[in-house]
Amino acid sequence: EDQVTQSPEALRLQEGESSSLNCSYTVSGLRGLFWYRQDPGKGPEFLFTLYSAGEEKEKERLKATLTKKESFLHITAPKPEDSATYLCAVRSSGTYKYIFGTGTRLKVLA
Amino acid sequence: DSGVTQTPKHLITATGQRVTLRCSPRSGDLSVYWYQQSLDQGLQFLIQYYNGEERAKGNILERFSAQQFPDLHSELNLSSLELGDSALYFCASSAQGVNTEAFFGQGTRLTVV
Repeated sequence: EDQVTQSPEALRLQEGESSSLNCSYTVSGLRGLFWYRQDPGKGPEFLFTLYSAGEEKEKERLKATLTKKESFLHITAPKPEDSATYLCAVRSSGTYKYIFGTGTRLKVLA
Repeated sequence: DSGVTQTPKHLITATGQRVTLRCSPRSGDLSVYWYQQSLDQGLQFLIQYYNGEERAKGNILERFSAQQFPDLHSELNLSSLELGDSALYFCASSAQGVNTEAFFGQGTRLTVV
């Protein structure tokens, strides 16, 4: 069965303190790994799509990487406005749904 | 703005009642997905439609049903509501193709009292 596990569940960083969030997955034929940001009470906001091992995508202070078993979301010099829950999702061959992890709640302190 | 529109934003109703949540996908997107997110829970997949046809089903209760209309908007019907149905309900849409990302609406917050 396809599965996504995110760690840590929660992370507190000081402003400017870089770190990484982890997304481990098991799927039968990866058709895409997706990162989203979700603010409280809001809908998930799309960040990145990664398709194959070795692929990297960047956007401002965020950088996503992908291996055959996991993905990392690196946050460089975070700011308080980066505080949110970051969700990882996968889509596998043979299924049409997006399977989400439970997310990492990030809090960046000024 | 993702381009996915959900109405209403908030809904408060009593146990045993029935409600309908509405979703308009992004222009051109044929796929619509419904997800449920309870307090401190992850996004749980309910159901997917593609161009009017049901394509995938998740852990959707028998009291819940959905449909996608010819104009591609979708409705999620929740009946015989229970307190435990209180949650955020999200709709997402995606373009044709397997390797495409989904874009989410802002959700409907359902409170059952």
